[in-house]
Amino acid sequence: NAGVTQTPKFQVLKTGQSMTLQCAQDMNHNSMYWYRQDPGMGLRLIYYSASEGTTDKGEVPNGYNVSRLNKREFSLRLESAAPSQTSVYFCASSPTQGAIRGYTFGSGTRLTVV
Amino acid sequence: DQQVKQNSPSLSVQEGRISILNCDYTNSMFDYFLWYKKYPAEGPTFLISISSIKDKNEDGRFTVFLNKSAKHLSLHIVPSQPGDSAVYFCAASSGNTPLVFGKGTRLSVIA
Repeated sequence: NAGVTQTPKFQVLKTGQSMTLQCAQDMNHNSMYWYRQDPGMGLRLIYYSASEGTTDKGEVPNGYNVSRLNKREFSLRLESAAPSQTSVYFCASSPTQGAIRGYTFGSGTRLTVV
Repeated sequence: DQQVKQNSPSLSVQEGRISILNCDYTNSMFDYFLWYKKYPAEGPTFLISISSIKDKNEDGRFTVFLNKSAKHLSLHIVPSQPGDSAVYFCAASSGNTPLVFGKGTRLSVIA
């Protein structure tokens, strides 16, 4: 089915370890986003890419880096994981950066940092 | 400062009755508003949206109302069904800025 695919679905890291969360969409969307969801905090934007070749910081970018590898793929990297980064991470995409058609979300990556 | 506020963390409604979920915003530049629905272990899915030039948008059992002067919008679900039990997120955008989400309201529809 067409949509947004995130890998892995679950991950446990030790403090200080690094990892990359992968995201790919097959809808030919131009814009892609990374959000994190924490209990009682809703969805907060980490980074986004309005189009291939561009990336911008969101509300909570500290501790993360991103790469827009091509039009389909947008990865999120944690260089040195901290317990505060324990969260559920959602990747999303949209035809353009405007919200009119809404975003399509992946099913999420549940990350635990111990 | 939170730009999109959903002040009710949870709501319980009987099956067949109306569910009303509320959302307030502070940024007067927001011109497009959306509601997303989220089931456990799944990503949010788009439910319904409204442009700031309208005050109402209806899609089947779901209606969103926008009161720009009060910076308030609401989602009405009539009649509520057990399958509507989920977390509902209000989101807003201005121009080409990314969506800003509220904290969500957990709706429980009791059979």
